[in-house]
Amino acid sequence: NAGVTQTPKFQVLKTGQSMTLQCAQDMNHEYMSWYRQDPGMGLRLIHYSVGAGITDQGEVPNGYNVSRSTTEDFPLRLLSAAPSQTSVYFCASSAGQYYGYTFGSGTRLTVV
Amino acid sequence: AQSVTQPDIHITVSEGASLELRCNYSYGATPYLFWYVQSPGQGLQLLLKYFSGDTLVQGIKGFEAEFKRSQSSFNLRKPSVHWSDAAEYFCAVMNSNSGYALNFGKGTSLLVTP
Repeated sequence: NAGVTQTPKFQVLKTGQSMTLQCAQDMNHEYMSWYRQDPGMGLRLIHYSVGAGITDQGEVPNGYNVSRSTTEDFPLRLLSAAPSQTSVYFCASSAGQYYGYTFGSGTRLTVV
Repeated sequence: AQSVTQPDIHITVSEGASLELRCNYSYGATPYLFWYVQSPGQGLQLLLKYFSGDTLVQGIKGFEAEFKRSQSSFNLRKPSVHWSDAAEYFCAVMNSNSGYALNFGKGTSLLVTP
């Protein structure tokens, strides 16, 4: 049982480049979400989804897009990378409001 | 929206001493509360959760937390700290306004001294 799998683990981008952070879960969880973690800021919600085809914005959505075409996958797209998007990104999934979230191991992104 | 505050950025505890990490929540109804731990360079691991019922919640690794509605608190405790407990600890609340995603506190960094 792999849980939540994030790829890649590390990535360096140049300013203006685009890329997709992958997130997949094999637990048939309906709820999925993306967070970014910055020093002293805790984890902040970027986008979330409550099921296939349903996504919405969190606290810090600017510069990011998501889609949820299947229950398993929830990719995060950076449209035009900026140095301010240098961060560690975590994907998480949950079976619902009475359950905790399982987190992936994270993607460390550096934008130069 | 539901939110949590962790008043302590850093805590230093001697090995074998007791530990209490503070978390205060903001929400009128009963919140769904969590404690997560993050070791350096790692992802987040769920320690325990509270939804309703017994206000003293037992978790993994010998941790427990007590929900106190009168104080709007959900403090994490451990009777005797081990050096391996050194990590970052996050309190979080489920936000019903954001599809029950989590709102996190800014974290408390725990240092354990010999």
